[in-house]
Amino acid sequence: EAGVTQSPRYAVLQEGQAVSFWCDPISGHDTLYWYQQPRDQGPQLLVYFRDEAVIDNSQLPSDRFSAVRPKGTNSTLKIQSAKQGDTATYLCASSLTLNQDTQYFGPGTRLLVL
Amino acid sequence: GDSVTQTEGPVTVSESESLIINCTYSATSIAYPNLFWYVRYPGEGLQLLLKVITAGQKGSSRGFEATYNKETTSFHLQKASVQESDSAVYYCALANSAGNKLTFGIGTRVLVRP
Repeated sequence: EAGVTQSPRYAVLQEGQAVSFWCDPISGHDTLYWYQQPRDQGPQLLVYFRDEAVIDNSQLPSDRFSAVRPKGTNSTLKIQSAKQGDTATYLCASSLTLNQDTQYFGPGTRLLVL
Repeated sequence: GDSVTQTEGPVTVSESESLIINCTYSATSIAYPNLFWYVRYPGEGLQLLLKVITAGQKGSSRGFEATYNKETTSFHLQKASVQESDSAVYYCALANSAGNKLTFGIGTRVLVRP
């Protein structure tokens, strides 16, 4: 069974540039999560979906961050006009169902904003 | 909100020595949350090491053990004899009442000397 895949693995931007991260969850998992993990901190939940519906995006900085999962499978997290404070690893995870608390994580995308 | 506090790293131990990583939690969303230890080995993604959903129970995996202590709100991770391959970053986490939001600690980097 393939795990959660993410791309790209690394990204380097200048402030003000935009970037998109892509995630392919485990097949059959209806719930998908995006986390932000700054250096030397634990992952912090940004947004999560059940199928194509956003369940909670209250921690997503909505003015510059957006996330979609249009067909309930793959998902894209986008940062418009990146800031140095966005430097972090962005993790995608999936779980079988919404109330299944075992989450399976992808390798992450390491973002550096100069 | 919910929070998790764990041993600050790095923790350096020699092969065959014992290891303990302390974890305490504070849960406002649920009285007895599900508790987890996740691990990230070098070059790999975050993966579940063990979880315990019942207070008083012990979880174990790969020689590691953790006991859910509701009196002290702790979930310390222990291993009697570490190997070099245990070098990794370990994260303690709890799940909210709906089981779909994980709150992580900052992570503890463990270095095992040969």
